[in-house]
Amino acid sequence: EAGVAQSPRYKIIEKRQSVAFWCNPISGHATLYWYQQILGQGPKLLIQFQNNGVVDDSQLPKDRFSAERLKGVDSTLKIQPAKLEDSAVYLCASSLTGLSNNEQYFGPGTRLTVT
Amino acid sequence: DAKTTQPNSMESNEEEPVHLPCNHSTISGTDYIHWYRQLPSQGPEYVIHGLTSNVNNRMASLAIAEDRKSSTLILHRATLRDAAVYYCILRDPNPYNTDKLIFGTGTRLQVFP
Repeated sequence: EAGVAQSPRYKIIEKRQSVAFWCNPISGHATLYWYQQILGQGPKLLIQFQNNGVVDDSQLPKDRFSAERLKGVDSTLKIQPAKLEDSAVYLCASSLTGLSNNEQYFGPGTRLTVT
Repeated sequence: DAKTTQPNSMESNEEEPVHLPCNHSTISGTDYIHWYRQLPSQGPEYVIHGLTSNVNNRMASLAIAEDRKSSTLILHRATLRDAAVYYCILRDPNPYNTDKLIFGTGTRLQVFP
C-alpha cells in the first residue's frame, strides 16, 4: 500500500515570497490533515479536510495560509507571503474516516526554510 | 483538551526493555490513550492505543494504570531503529469533536549499541 506522498521534500525561499506544498493521501482516505512542526516542538494541526470540506481550520493563519482539496483527493497548502517564522516542516496526514480512533498516516513532510 | 506530561528524554541500551511513562491526571472517562513516534526526518507513525485494559501489538505494549491517570509504553527489546521521539496523546472518541492529534513535546529516546 502506497503511503502519503508529499512534494517537494525541501524548499528554501526568501521572506515575502510565496510557496506551495502538495499532498497525495492514501487511496480511499476521506480525511486529510496539514500539520506544522517547528524545530523542537510537536506537530500542530493547521487544517483538517473531510473529503473536500473543511472540518477544522482554527489554527490556520488565514491572512497568509490557504489550503484546498478540490476533488476530495490530493491537497495543496500555500503560504503567501512567507515570514521567517514559517520555517518549519509541513506534514500531511490522512485517515480512513474522521473518527477519532482512526490511525493517522503521515507523509515524510516538506522542510521549508525562509531566509 | 486534556494534557499529558512526559519526560523530555530517556536512554536505553540495545536489546534492553524500555518503559516510557506518561502522566494524564485530567483524563476524562472516554479519552483514549494513543502513542505515536517520530523517527528522525520522518513523519509521526502510530504505535498503539488503549482505553482501560493493557494492550499489546507487534510494536509495543501499553500498560494503563487502574485510575487511568498514567500509562507506560513498553518496548520489550529496544533496537537502534527505536530511537525516536515518542508522543503520548489523549483522544476523545466523540464523533462530533474534531479528531485532531494534539502533540506535546514528547520523549526523545536514545538507544545505544
